[in-house]
Amino acid sequence: GENVEQHPSTLSVQEGDSAVIKCTYSDSASNYFPWYKQELGKRPQLIIDIRSNVGEKKDQRIAVTLNKTAKHFSLHITETQPEDSAVYFCAASNMNSGYSTLTFGKGTMLLVS
Amino acid sequence: DAGITQSPRYKITETGRQVTLMCHQTWSHSYMFWYRQDLGHGLRLIYYSAAADITDKGEVPDGYVVSRSKTENFPLTLESATRSQTSVYFCASRGDFSYNSPLHFGNGTRLTVT
Repeated sequence: GENVEQHPSTLSVQEGDSAVIKCTYSDSASNYFPWYKQELGKRPQLIIDIRSNVGEKKDQRIAVTLNKTAKHFSLHITETQPEDSAVYFCAASNMNSGYSTLTFGKGTMLLVS
Repeated sequence: DAGITQSPRYKITETGRQVTLMCHQTWSHSYMFWYRQDLGHGLRLIYYSAAADITDKGEVPDGYVVSRSKTENFPLTLESATRSQTSVYFCASRGDFSYNSPLHFGNGTRLTVT
């Protein structure tokens, strides 16, 4: 099955700096890569996703890049703000294999101070 | 959004007791999922369901039972709770497996087994 590795487990940045979270996946058939943000005590919520036919996607201060050859994808947050502090999860799945479930990374706790 | 609700929000039970966590969604989503969240392990899939009366095991199904007699409900039962099942449990749903149908999570149930 799919295996998703996520790094770092904790990331501390100063307000206004950029933050980068990286994930690698094992199944070359995976073609959908969402990112979820989970604030303290809340549910995970989708913030951005990318499909395998796209190398980069941006939405205001967040962007996701995908390198299919290396099987890794990254979340970039620019001009970080205190409200960006949360746990971020990457995930991967193969959307072409019937109902394929999402495999999540172990999460990155981002602290913006 | 209130489309998917879990109950209770918090539960304390004793080892060996049976406990059921409830999940209800109002979107008529076909697919429903149960995840557990533990520090250092992220979100791990317990069971999922493609439709009423269709369920399948995920990554960590041992010690859990699910049922889905109605599309909107997907209860998770711990038949004989163990301390290792202390966790935060999230129910989730999605309409289909298209790119336009993201996974939506409930608010979670924090379960403590003493």
